Amino acid sequence: DVKVTQSSRYLVKRTGEKVFLECVQDMDHENMFWYRQDPGLGLRLIYFSYDVKMKEKGDIPEGYSVSREKKERFSLILESASTNQTSMYLCASSDPGLLTGELFFGEGSRLTVL
Amino acid sequence: GNSVTQMEGPVTLSEEAFLTINCTYTATGYPSLFWYVQYPGEGLQLLLKATKADDKGSNKGFEATYRKETTSFHLEKGSVQVSDSAVYFCALGEDSNYQLIWGAGTKLIIKP
Repeated sequence: DVKVTQSSRYLVKRTGEKVFLECVQDMDHENMFWYRQDPGLGLRLIYFSYDVKMKEKGDIPEGYSVSREKKERFSLILESASTNQTSMYLCASSDPGLLTGELFFGEGSRLTVL
Repeated sequence: GNSVTQMEGPVTLSEEAFLTINCTYTATGYPSLFWYVQYPGEGLQLLLKATKADDKGSNKGFEATYRKETTSFHLEKGSVQVSDSAVYFCALGEDSNYQLIWGAGTKLIIKP
């Protein structure tokens, strides 16, 4: 069974802390994505990567950075967490051979910043 | 630019009721259309898709037809179950880029 695994389901951090959210996929997919999910706003794309060491900004990249050193792993970094970054974060992957939009999602990481 | 509009929720129905969740879109090209579902405590999963006009996607008793003339992709199910309670997202994708355009999501609550 294909799988996208996010390292932490729930995190509580303090304002100003550095936060790492890890995502690993076992499908050898080339594309990986980080989304933020907030009620009433749907999913908003933070960053995506279409190859190792490649990254592209999405719609809301401010306050975030990413790292993709290996094909299977895509990390989201909050350099200095703020309360407005309290949210659900979803990682997804896809293959260029799939129809655009066929994403495989992890279970999500719910981050609370105090 | 491209956009997706879904009906606001929550939508509350009794078990065995007929379900429609409306989704309309604007697009400059010929997008593919998707419905994703998010069950409580889980990530999103693809429910069904359609790649061209008049295509009907179906899965788990749900259906949606790609209507170009009305720019719609409404999700329907003839008889809902409590286990269908979830958040449903309509999305639009074009092969020319990697990004999906998402609706805001519609929460569905089914009461026994």
